[in-house]
Amino acid sequence: AQSVSQHNHHVILSEAASLELGCNYSYGGTVNLFWYVQYPGQHLQLLLKYFSGDPLVKGIKGFEAEFIKSKFSFNLRKPSVQWSDTAEYFCAVNARRMNYGGSQGNLIFGKGTKLSVKP
Amino acid sequence: GAVVSQHPSRVICKSGTSVKIECRSLDFQATTMFWYRQFPKQSLMLMATSNEGSKATYEQGVEKDKFLINHASLTLSTLTVTSAHPEDSSFYICSAREDSPKADTQYFGPGTRLTVL
Repeated sequence: AQSVSQHNHHVILSEAASLELGCNYSYGGTVNLFWYVQYPGQHLQLLLKYFSGDPLVKGIKGFEAEFIKSKFSFNLRKPSVQWSDTAEYFCAVNARRMNYGGSQGNLIFGKGTKLSVKP
Repeated sequence: GAVVSQHPSRVICKSGTSVKIECRSLDFQATTMFWYRQFPKQSLMLMATSNEGSKATYEQGVEKDKFLINHASLTLSTLTVTSAHPEDSSFYICSAREDSPKADTQYFGPGTRLTVL
């Protein structure tokens, strides 16, 4: 069975600090990987995704993530955080079917990491 | 683009009543939609996968007779919580997957806060 683990429950940073949120998954096959963000009082929004190709993926708002297949990891990074990045971040994975590249469909989510950025 | 709406955003009902929640993809077609439940300070738990024109697929432990899902069109799925009880109080979130073999991205609705008294 697939599972996703996010190492940090709550991260507190000062503005301009660098960010790295860990995400590891367990699944033996090919996967699609996602990071979603949930700002306070808002719904989940897609931050970035990886399907194939360049393992370094750039998303919105200066975020990027690197897929390291050998480590089953998809860590999220941002060189310099802002107060407006305060939110909860969810890593998610779904299995990719091999016939036409579509997936099994359902996402498996990590428990989320709450990021608090102090101004 | 890729906007998903949910209605209502918040509902309070008495124990024993039924509540219907709508999920709509506003600017794309979605053969497949998903219903999640989010508990306080926890991640999203998939309840069921809703497929247009066919029966929903429920995750283990989710009562299909209690959580009725209807996916009548390519842009609308509904979740009906039947005979609601206080333990059904939760945040229900839907997502829609864009109909494209390579799209494979789910877009989430804003969620519905259900409180059962």
